[in-house]
Amino acid sequence: NAGVTQTPKFRILKIGQSMTLQCTQDMNHNYMYWYRQDPGMGLKLIYYSVGAGITDKGEVPNGYNVSRSTTEDFPLRLELAAPSQTSVYFCASSEARQGDQPQHFGDGTRLSIL
Amino acid sequence: GDSVTQMEGPVTLSEEAFLTINCTYTATGYPSLFWYVQYPGEGLQLLLKATKADDKGSNKGFEATYRKETTSFHLEKGSVQVSDSAVYFCALNPTGTASKLTFGTGTRLQVTL
Repeated sequence: NAGVTQTPKFRILKIGQSMTLQCTQDMNHNYMYWYRQDPGMGLKLIYYSVGAGITDKGEVPNGYNVSRSTTEDFPLRLELAAPSQTSVYFCASSEARQGDQPQHFGDGTRLSIL
Repeated sequence: GDSVTQMEGPVTLSEEAFLTINCTYTATGYPSLFWYVQYPGEGLQLLLKATKADDKGSNKGFEATYRKETTSFHLEKGSVQVSDSAVYFCALNPTGTASKLTFGTGTRLQVTL
């Protein structure tokens, strides 16, 4: 089972460039999430989705956009990259039942904005 | 709002030592509690969970007990190995929500021979 797959694993961007971080899962999970992980800061939720066609903001959504056209895919878009967006980005998914269901994480995308 | 507080790291132990990583939380109701582990260069993996007061989660020799009276979920292992070196995250999911986790800042564990 592939689980949650993120691409690319590493990327360097220049200030003002755009890019899309890809995330796909093969577990038929309805819920998907995007987090960023900054050193010593834990994980912060950027956006999440409870199903195809439905997305909502998390704790730190500014500067990002998402879409959810299928159950499997949940891409994260950076429109105008800024140095403050240098971070490690994790995608996760979970079943839609009760809150005791764990999240399954991808291996992350390490993004540097220079 | 909901929050999770973990002890500062890094925690450095010799192999076969006893491990405790403290975690306390603030939340209304009865949240579900989780420990996740992150090995170098990888994503987070669920280590164990507990969903109600006095539940004990366990996995791979690690244990944590959901203590409602002290709002704590401390992680313990009786004898650590070098392969346990990783970052450990405590997290909670508030009551009634579908899996929206609040994470602590993580505690790095280094185990030496």
